[in-house]
Amino acid sequence: AIRITQSPSSLSASTGDRVTITCRASQGISSYLAWYQQKPGKAPKLLIYAASTLQSGVPSRFSGSGSGTDFTLTISCLQSEDFATYYCQQYYSYPVAFGQGTKVEIK
Amino acid sequence: EVQLVQSGAEVKKPGESLKISCKGSGYSFTSYWIGWVRQMPGKGLEWMGIIYPGDSDTRYSPSFQGQVTISADKSISTAYLQWSSLKASDTAMYYCARQNYGDQLYAFDIWGQGTMVTVSS
Repeated sequence: AIRITQSPSSLSASTGDRVTITCRASQGISSYLAWYQQKPGKAPKLLIYAASTLQSGVPSRFSGSGSGTDFTLTISCLQSEDFATYYCQQYYSYPVAFGQGTKVEIK
Repeated sequence: EVQLVQSGAEVKKPGESLKISCKGSGYSFTSYWIGWVRQMPGKGLEWMGIIYPGDSDTRYSPSFQGQVTISADKSISTAYLQWSSLKASDTAMYYCARQNYGDQLYAFDIWGQGTMVTVSS
């Protein structure tokens, strides 16, 4: 099974900061990687799929990059509504796997 | 509106059986996969398995194979996750989510609101 390692597990940032979260796959997954945002008490929400394609309605301050084994989610200018937990997911093959999550907290 | 609506919270005792549901609407239910994701209290997301209601093709994570059963009734656009004998460690929020169908895998684009399952004596 393909394993996903996500880092950091948490980070503190201020509104307006640029934030970067990374995921590494244990083997090449081409661009079959998605990013989700989850707020407390809510279901996850798809932000980015195919490593860099923004889901409809997602603000352009979110961007994704990478292919193969190394991927990055960037929030260019953190807003108050962006404080949440973020997960990456590989969907290259079954069993699908999620990263461990990154909690973005207010500094 | 495309949506997945899950059944309500459950409180069960160890050893009891349980079946929770996920009803799709606003789209062709038999043209998308429905996956199940576990989130234990304060923890991350775990992919459990997935079913294609069109032909009931089902895949399980090795971690959940034999522990749960995923099924679907396409006549009522509903997918199910069931346990035959619950354990305290099954206490978690369970989400269903939709995945496009094709010759490749896709991300989960629509999620249910979640069903909280509490197992306690």
